[in-house]
Amino acid sequence: AQSVAQPEDQVNVAEGNPLTVKCTYSVSGNPYLFWYVQYPNRGLQFLLKYITGDNLVKGSYGFEAEFNKSQTSFHLKKPSALVSDSALYFCAVRDDWGGNDMRFGAGTRLTVKP
Amino acid sequence: ETGVTQTPRHLVMGMTNKKSLKCEQHLGHNAMYWYKQSAKKPLELMFVYNFKEQTENNSVPSRFSPECPNSSHLFLHLHTLQPEDSALYLCASSQEAQREGYEQYFGPGTRLTVT
Repeated sequence: AQSVAQPEDQVNVAEGNPLTVKCTYSVSGNPYLFWYVQYPNRGLQFLLKYITGDNLVKGSYGFEAEFNKSQTSFHLKKPSALVSDSALYFCAVRDDWGGNDMRFGAGTRLTVKP
Repeated sequence: ETGVTQTPRHLVMGMTNKKSLKCEQHLGHNAMYWYKQSAKKPLELMFVYNFKEQTENNSVPSRFSPECPNSSHLFLHLHTLQPEDSALYLCASSQEAQREGYEQYFGPGTRLTVT
């Protein structure tokens, strides 16, 4: 069965600095990987996904993520953080080998300080 | 109206009440989902409907009863809930259920409080 871990509950960065939100996964087959963001009192909003192809995936609002098969990671990155990026970020994985539920991580709260 | 909408946005109910949550998607998708989001816990998948057929029931107590009359509408009927059922209930949709790389699109959620 697939699983995903977000090792950091909280990430704090200064505005203008690069940010990284970490995600590692475990699957039996090939992974489909997703990042979502949740702002207060809102549902989850899709940011980007990795299906196949280039390991560096670009998404909405300047975010990108790098798929690393050897390290089973899919970290979310942004070169220059904005205060408005402060939110809850979820990594999710789906396995292409049976049991195709999408599994979500527990979430990482990103705070960007001015 | 676009995207995924949910009503009501907030609901307070007693343990003996019966209420329903409604979800509607305007994206032309064929799959719809109910999730439960509790503080400091991963999202819990509750139910999945694909082309109006229920394909997943993740051991959800019978006090939660889903209904999917068509691919655009999804309901969650609630009765005799417990205080621990208080949470944010999220509806989502995707092109098809649990297939390949289809991402899900979420509604804003219903904040449920059981007193």
